[in-house]
Amino acid sequence: GQQVMQIPQYQHVQEGEDFTTYCNSSTTLSNIQWYKQRPGGHPVFLIQLVKSGEVKKQKRLTFQFGEAKKNSSLHITATQTTDVGTYFCAGPGTGGSQGNLIFGKGTKLSVKP
Amino acid sequence: DVKVTQSSRYLVKRTGEKVFLECVQDMDHENMFWYRQDPGLGLRLIYFSYDVKMKEKGDIPEGYSVSREKKERFSLILESASTNQTSMYLCASSQGLAGEQFFGPGTRLTVL
Repeated sequence: GQQVMQIPQYQHVQEGEDFTTYCNSSTTLSNIQWYKQRPGGHPVFLIQLVKSGEVKKQKRLTFQFGEAKKNSSLHITATQTTDVGTYFCAGPGTGGSQGNLIFGKGTKLSVKP
Repeated sequence: DVKVTQSSRYLVKRTGEKVFLECVQDMDHENMFWYRQDPGLGLRLIYFSYDVKMKEKGDIPEGYSVSREKKERFSLILESASTNQTSMYLCASSQGLAGEQFFGPGTRLTVL
């Protein structure tokens, strides 16, 4: 079935280092969404990318959607302790999953001060 | 401000008990979802609903049922709780197909 895969599963960085998480879909996506879940919290929507090759920035966060619309990345420049959490990507389901979002398993980021 | 609320943050039940988890959204969203979240397994979809009285099975519906009698409310029912249903349960709602999902705070259920 349709899959969305994320790597790495865990990432430990020193504060100030950069961080990147990668998302790959088994199918072409009409769009991709990114969510952040703080420790003890719930997933919160960050952004949606729709166009092939699209790049969007939110302060220190840069989101990219691949040209083939099958992969995406989230890059954080100069991480801070407030960036700690799990980052999920999600793409629209197809076939029997149409209307749903298929979530990756997430990348858990820890930041050492 | 959009809001999804869940009836309990923490719940402890005994094996075999019937458990009700309630979710309410105030955004008039058509779509509602129940997920469970376990370490290393990400978010797994249990059931979802596109409209009142409609329900569809997700990836792991076994041992669960749902009810959606009103647009704003989506209930998850564990007919006979088992220890392997100990988990974090997250409710979400969205408008439109595969739209941005708004999550509730979650219910951490422990089945003893």
